Amino acid sequence: DQQVKQNSPSLSVQEGRISILNCDYTNSMFDYFLWYKKYPAEGPTFLISISSIKDKNEDGRFTVFLNKSAKHLSLHIVPSQPGDSAVYFCAASPNYGGSQGNLIFGKGTKLSVKP
Amino acid sequence: DTGVSQNPRHKITKRGQNVTFRCDPISEHNRLYWYRQTLGQGPEFLTYFQNEAQLEKSRLLSDRFSAERPKGSFSTLEIQRTEQGDSAMYLCASSWDSTTQYFGPGTRLTVL
Repeated sequence: DQQVKQNSPSLSVQEGRISILNCDYTNSMFDYFLWYKKYPAEGPTFLISISSIKDKNEDGRFTVFLNKSAKHLSLHIVPSQPGDSAVYFCAASPNYGGSQGNLIFGKGTKLSVKP
Repeated sequence: DTGVSQNPRHKITKRGQNVTFRCDPISEHNRLYWYRQTLGQGPEFLTYFQNEAQLEKSRLLSDRFSAERPKGSFSTLEIQRTEQGDSAMYLCASSWDSTTQYFGPGTRLTVL
């Protein structure tokens, strides 16, 4: 039973265009969401996060949107660059008793940005 | 470099052997987490420390697995009597609060 779902295993985008990566979750108790980027043979690198009390957070070329009613979040990268090619993981932080912040991850979406 | 470090980066062992991995978190971080990642999956939570106290363990952490953080600084993860199903990337992360976790490069374990 996956609580965080990234339904697109891969995405290909032209350099300079927008990349939109999607994530759905099932647990309404999640209160904090994060996006990580991962290159092969490296650990995940934190990109951007959003609290459940917000619907948008922006950091440079990266914007995360949260739609709580739909239990959906998305990461927008504008403009996309070849160096953005990596696997992107969506993660959620539970806020129920006994949990101290362990993250629940989706399976990832592999983004390829073509020059 | 003041990021999270993990050693070794790669470990190949034979089934039935014991292995131990080390994680050095970012120095001012009081929380330390262990995750496991297999091919095609996202990282899966194993256990969590706040300072030296182990506060949470996943059901994935069988009795062959043990983790310690003796002085609230570095941590070790030991797997006893390794099985082929233990082959994975073992990731360590640290944080100051319960939100943003920063990951190390991981230790890739291969059990033959």
